[in-house]
Amino acid sequence: EAQVTQNPRYLITVTGKKLTVTCSQNMNHEYMSWYRQDPGLGLRQIYYSMNVEVTDKGDVPEGYKVSRKEKRNFPLILESPSPNQTSLYFCASSLFAGNEQFFGPGTRLTVL
Amino acid sequence: SQQGEEDPQALSIQEGENATMNCSYKTSINNLQWYRQNSGRGLVHLILIRSNEREKHSGRLRVTLDTSKKSSSLLITASRAADTASYFCATVLGAQKLVFGQGTRLTINP
Repeated sequence: EAQVTQNPRYLITVTGKKLTVTCSQNMNHEYMSWYRQDPGLGLRQIYYSMNVEVTDKGDVPEGYKVSRKEKRNFPLILESPSPNQTSLYFCASSLFAGNEQFFGPGTRLTVL
Repeated sequence: SQQGEEDPQALSIQEGENATMNCSYKTSINNLQWYRQNSGRGLVHLILIRSNEREKHSGRLRVTLDTSKKSSSLLITASRAADTASYFCATVLGAQKLVFGQGTRLTINP
């Protein structure tokens, strides 16, 4: 089944404790992206990747890192999480940039 | 500021009625996409309309695009309870970024 998977789905952590949210797609898509969704602010792009080893900042990249060593994986790294990063995070992929995007189920992160 | 802005922010109608949502954007686009999100879940792609298209249909969905007014509308005909969700428009900027609006929350009352 074609899909985007994210793990974990739910995470409660404390300020400053490094964490990684994994994202994987099995559709051989070139483009992958991370979004955060907050009430009243809609979805905002954090980082995106046009292809392996090519990443770029979105609208709200501060406090986040990404890597794209393989085509299928695009992990989101929070080196030192803070409470303002409490949010619902979505990974998405598409065949190419600008095509329809397939979204993962979301990761609800709470930073205490 | 947001590239795409949906209107209204919330819409409540009776089952069987038609629902219309609008999206306005600010800069030139390659294409415009509509997505649906059921409460807290991942977004699902509904339809993509290219900048050189004016209207597109998919089942009970009809999307229009007016590039001169920088606006798009999504019409859902003969609404069903299962259509209750949030609907987002997204514009593609520079063939690289997808920018989402804040969404319209649609409630279909039985």
